[in-house]
Amino acid sequence: QAQLVQSGAEVKKPGASVRVSCKASGYTFTGYHMHWVRRAPGRGLEWMGLMYPDSGNTKYVQKFQGRVTMTRDTSITTAYMELSGLTSDDTAVYYCASKTAANEYDWAFEIWGQGTMVIVSS
Amino acid sequence: QSALTQPAAVSGSPGQSITISCTGTSSDVGTYDLVSWYQFHPGKVPKLIIYEGSKRPSGVSNRFSGSKSGNTASLTISGLQADDEADYYCCAYAGRNIGAVFGGGTKLTVL
Repeated sequence: QAQLVQSGAEVKKPGASVRVSCKASGYTFTGYHMHWVRRAPGRGLEWMGLMYPDSGNTKYVQKFQGRVTMTRDTSITTAYMELSGLTSDDTAVYYCASKTAANEYDWAFEIWGQGTMVIVSS
Repeated sequence: QSALTQPAAVSGSPGQSITISCTGTSSDVGTYDLVSWYQFHPGKVPKLIIYEGSKRPSGVSNRFSGSKSGNTASLTISGLQADDEADYYCCAYAGRNIGAVFGGGTKLTVL
């Protein structure tokens, strides 16, 4: 079945960068947008942007413009999200999410990764 | 502060029904029929329970239903079960320039 498996937890110092990976299996990786969402303590969910794995085209939330980079390696069906200039406000669980069916789940996140905890602390 | 407004917490007894509201604006919930709802259980992968306002993915219980009136979407869970205790988030499409926006989440307690 379709599955997204993310990389493990990270602890970073303020100002550093973090890269989270998301390995897709069980569906057509290049067929559907890969979204990134984060869940910060006490701040709900936040959509960060998306990447279309086929072309590599991206759309980022304005708040993260200049700090976030979403890429992919189609040969290993893996998406990446790199966030730079980390501050304590970036402490959160980061999720990748996508869908597996055309003409369904328009702007909905059908499948999710298990989440990657990123802690930013000096 | 989240773009969509949800109550911080709701509760109900087993067998009862509860409704969680999700209030947006005429630029998101009010314009597009693209509201989705997600269930977050601790230690589990998040789960899509409602998409495109009122559709249920395969495998999701028909005890979950979604609706919309104006700028407010709602998730109703009927026949509450202990396993329904979780955090619930709404999400809405807000147009090409904004993308997706989420609510702040609602903690459901089954008494």
